[in-house]
Amino acid sequence: NAGVTQTPKFRILKIGQSMTLQCAQDMNHNYMYWYRQDPGMGLKLIYYSVGAGITDKGEVPNGYNVSRSTTEDFPLRLELAAPSQTSVYFCASSPRWYGGYGYTFGSGTRLTVV
Amino acid sequence: QKEVEQNSGPLSVPEGAIASLNCTYSDRGSQSFFWYRQYSGKSPELIMSIYSNGDKEDGRFTAQLNKASQYVSLLIRDSQPSDSATYLCAVGRPDSGYALNFGKGTSLLVTP
Repeated sequence: NAGVTQTPKFRILKIGQSMTLQCAQDMNHNYMYWYRQDPGMGLKLIYYSVGAGITDKGEVPNGYNVSRSTTEDFPLRLELAAPSQTSVYFCASSPRWYGGYGYTFGSGTRLTVV
Repeated sequence: QKEVEQNSGPLSVPEGAIASLNCTYSDRGSQSFFWYRQYSGKSPELIMSIYSNGDKEDGRFTAQLNKASQYVSLLIRDSQPSDSATYLCAVGRPDSGYALNFGKGTSLLVTP
């Protein structure tokens, strides 16, 4: 099915470990985004990309890195995990302009850092 | 910091009633506004988008926009228990790759 695929769905990390959250879309969308959502809070933008090879920081980029080597993939890298990075992470994509359709969201990755 | 504010609720309405959800935003230059519904443990799903002042209706949902007052609302008519969810207001940010700036959400509970 067309859409945004995130892996893994759940992960427990120890403090100081690193991991990559995977995000792939098959809709040929130029724009891709990473958000985190803490309990009772809205979504906070971590990084975004407007096309292959182009990325930029959002509101809360510290402790994260991204790359965009292809249109389809937009992985999020956590280096030296900290308890403050415990959250649900959502990847989303949109066409060049979201028009009336907003984003297509992935199903999320629930990350716990202990 | 460009803010999107929502009352966190919970907002409790009886089945069949009208639920009214409100949102204010700080960036007067905002042009695109969205309402998302999020069930517990799930990803957000788009309910409505609105770009012009006034009302936009889609089935049981009506979005209302007043740019002068920097105010967006969502009305849900004939509320059903299945409407119980958190509703997120989002405002477009063309200066950040068309990212969306989200409010914290309003929890809606529709009681039978």
